Amino acid sequence: GQQVMQIPQYQHVQEGEDFTTYCNSSTTLSNIQWYKQRPGGHPVFLIQLVKSGEVKKQKRLTFQFGEAKKNSSLHITATQTTDVGTSFCAGKWSNDYKLSFGAGTTVTVRA
Amino acid sequence: SAVISQKPSRDICQRGTSLTIQCQVDSQVTMMFWYRQQPGQSLTLIATANQGSEATYESGFVIDKFPISRPNLTFSTLTVSNMSPEDSSIYLCSVEVEDYEQYFGPGTRLTVT
Repeated sequence: GQQVMQIPQYQHVQEGEDFTTYCNSSTTLSNIQWYKQRPGGHPVFLIQLVKSGEVKKQKRLTFQFGEAKKNSSLHITATQTTDVGTSFCAGKWSNDYKLSFGAGTTVTVRA
Repeated sequence: SAVISQKPSRDICQRGTSLTIQCQVDSQVTMMFWYRQQPGQSLTLIATANQGSEATYESGFVIDKFPISRPNLTFSTLTVSNMSPEDSSIYLCSVEVEDYEQYFGPGTRLTVT
């Protein structure tokens, strides 16, 4: 079935540094969503991108959707210890009602 | 948005037994989903729970092992039947709200011994 690939799987960052996680689909997506799961918690919806080339920001988080609607990225600036956890992208295609979750990027932060 | 509760939050069960997990939503929703998440892994969709009809199962998941009920638009149950240690996982229900966003319940942490 259709799936999204997400990299890196793990990211260990120094507090204050920036990092980016990437998602890629081999076929055109209808939309892509991002979720955050804190340790011991459940996934929480962050944002949805629908338009080609769309860029959305939430405080220190910047989400992008590629022009071809096949890739997306989440960029976090000035990482804080509160950023620990796993970020998942989830892709949706026009011919399917389900979401396909990426493998996730698990972030640890060293102070 | 939606507020979702799950019961039980965790359980330890013996192999060969069954556990039924309940998912309650604070509003009526059409689409409800059941996922499994192994420790440190991503979410794997088990099935989509449809109100008034049988659930739609994903490849690798069968109704005999994971029977699902959806008696109304705010409630669903997932049963994990004839459990083995390989069924130890976190089971999550989710609902789809406007614009295809999904909201997840807190999850049920299952350990099978």
